[in-house]
Amino acid sequence: DQQVKQNSPSLSVQEGRISILNCDYTNSMFDYFLWYKKYPAEGPTFLISISSIKDKNEDGRFTVFLNKSAKHLSLHIVPSQPGDSAVYFCAAKVRTETSGSRLTFGEGTQLTVNP
Amino acid sequence: DAGVIQSPRHEVTEMGQEVTLRCKPISGHDYLFWYRQTMMRGLELLIYFNNNVPIDDSGMPEDRFSAKMPNASFSTLKIQPSEPRDSAVYFCASGPRRDTEAFFGQGTRLTVV
Repeated sequence: DQQVKQNSPSLSVQEGRISILNCDYTNSMFDYFLWYKKYPAEGPTFLISISSIKDKNEDGRFTVFLNKSAKHLSLHIVPSQPGDSAVYFCAAKVRTETSGSRLTFGEGTQLTVNP
Repeated sequence: DAGVIQSPRHEVTEMGQEVTLRCKPISGHDYLFWYRQTMMRGLELLIYFNNNVPIDDSGMPEDRFSAKMPNASFSTLKIQPSEPRDSAVYFCASGPRRDTEAFFGQGTRLTVV
C-alpha cells in the first residue's frame, strides 16, 4: 500500500526554466508534508515543508503547494539550476505526540537540469 | 555537530554471514529511524526508536533483522543470516521531538553475494 506516490520517475528541464515535481497521497490523516533532496552516495537532506493548514510555502527558489482536496502536492523550483539535479523525495507524516519525525516517502523523482 | 554518522559506508558480505550496521545520531535528538532504500520499494521505514525504546518495528522485513539502541548515542541494525535480497542502502536518521524533519546519515551500501 503506497500511501505517498510520485508518478514521474524522472524529469528533465532546461537551466533557468521552472521544474515542477508532483506527489499524491492517499492517507487523509497526513498533516505535514516535506520534500527531501538526495545526491548520489549521500543521505536525503531536508528541503522544504508545509503544514496541512497552509496551501503554499515558499523558500527562495523553492515553493511547495498543497491541494488537500485533491491530496496532491507539488514542488516548484524556479529558476532551475544544474546543481538542482538530484533525486527529490516527497514525504508525509501524521504529527502525534509519539510519531516524532516518522515519515512515509514516495518513490522519488530524478530531476536533471540541463545547462 | 557532525550530523548522523553511519558505519561502515560500504559492506560486502557473503550470504549467510551476520552483518551489523552502526549509527550515531545527532546529540539531543530523541528519535532514531532506520530506513532501507531499494530500487523496487524506494525508501521504507524499518524501525524507529523514541528515547532508546523501539516504538514501531512493523517495517522490519523478517526475524533475521534486529535493531537495538543501548543508549542515546548509538544504535545497531543486525541482519543474521544475510541474504542477497537484503542488498540495499540502509539509512539511519534522527530527529528532535517537536521538529518535523529527520536528519539522515550518508547511508551504508550493503551488498550480499
